[in-house]
Formats: sequence, C-alpha cells, structure tokens
Amino acid sequence: DSGVTQTPKHLITATGQRVTLRCSPRSGDLSVYWYQQSLDQGLQFLIQYYNGEERAKGNILERFSAQQFPDLHSELNLSSLELGDSALYFCASSLMGSNTGELFFGEGSRLTVL
Amino acid sequence: AQSVSQHNHHVILSEAASLELGCNYSYGGTVNLFWYVQYPGQHLQLLLKYFSGDPLVKGIKGFEAEFIKSKFSFNLRKPSVQWSDTAEYFCAAASGGSYIPTFGRGTSLIVHP
Repeated sequence: DSGVTQTPKHLITATGQRVTLRCSPRSGDLSVYWYQQSLDQGLQFLIQYYNGEERAKGNILERFSAQQFPDLHSELNLSSLELGDSALYFCASSLMGSNTGELFFGEGSRLTVL
Repeated sequence: AQSVSQHNHHVILSEAASLELGCNYSYGGTVNLFWYVQYPGQHLQLLLKYFSGDPLVKGIKGFEAEFIKSKFSFNLRKPSVQWSDTAEYFCAAASGGSYIPTFGRGTSLIVHP
C-alpha cells in the first residue's frame, strides 16, 4: 500500500459525459501528479499541483481540468468524454520538500467510455 | 523534450533465466533515473533509483540497474527470475528543474514456471 488513495477504482460512462476522479496523497505529501496510462500512449504526464497551486502541465487536454484542495486532496475532471479517453488514470504524490522525481502511485482509476 | 525508450516491449522467460531490460533516455544534463514495477492489478512500485554516486544500483527483490552515462542507458538486470516477477516494468527519467518523471512505454515480462 503506497498510501495514495484513488476513487473510484472503476468507472464506466458514455461519450459526452463528465466524470470526476479523486485522489488523496500520502500523509504529509504536498505534491500531486496525474498521469494517464493507455495502451497506445503509455504513461503520459497530465498535470502537477503543489500545495493547492498548479505547478506544471503536461499533455492535458482542454476538456480536462484538475484542482487541489486545502486538505491536499486532488480531483481530475474529465468532460465531453470521447472513446479515446478510456484509460487508467493514476495519481501520485511525492515526498514533502523533495524534488527528485520519485513518486508514490495510487492504484489508479480505470475509466471506460462507451 | 526528454524521452525514455524501452527497447523490449514483451519478454518471455523461464524461471531461473537471467533478465536484462534496456532503457535509454535522451536528456544530456543531470538526470535522476528510476525503474518501477506494476504487478497485475496493482499500482506502480519503485524497484530502484539512481541519483548520483555508484552507477550500479541495487533495488528490491534482487533487481539491479547500471547507469552508463556515455550510453545514456539505465538497464535493469536480475540474475535469476521467478514466476512472481511477472509484471510490467517501467523506466523513468526526471531532470530539468521540475524533475517530473518521463516514463518509457513499459516492458511486459512473463515468467513461465
């Protein structure tokens, strides 16, 4: 158990819909990262938050957004869903004060868009 | 932009065989390197990491990796694999100030008993 909690574990929805994925980082970790894992693209970095503020952006679509709340949990919002958004979405956190790239991953949220 | 290449997408071995998975990264500056493992249905777990110092790094479960700067490589090795090593293996590199890791596409390892 990495200490990073993600909900829901599985989600099935239809095209055009909107979903929210939730992540709680390890106790004490201030940074949260979101990654998308798909068969054709591998693990792609989406976005990072640090202590409530957006720190870095990767290949995140405009239909996707995220935020980190004062209690440090984060939500990834995916809207106007398309079939190609079906993937495993991972959240990760890093040691407070650390800037090494070492991440602790949650178990992921598997999104299926029908 | 930084990239990480894993040359073997699928590897099938018998128990007790030796393993070497290739990983190359593109960034020329200071880089931190990682190998993660993802067992079926589980989250990514850190196997080992290299920040600096001895280029031969030992990790958990008998895995080791060697950093060769001149070849931009960080290959993963294990002398004798077990059935329980069946998993997906990811190489990652982090550098450039933000140190947000870039991952390779992963290598699926199947070990037959």
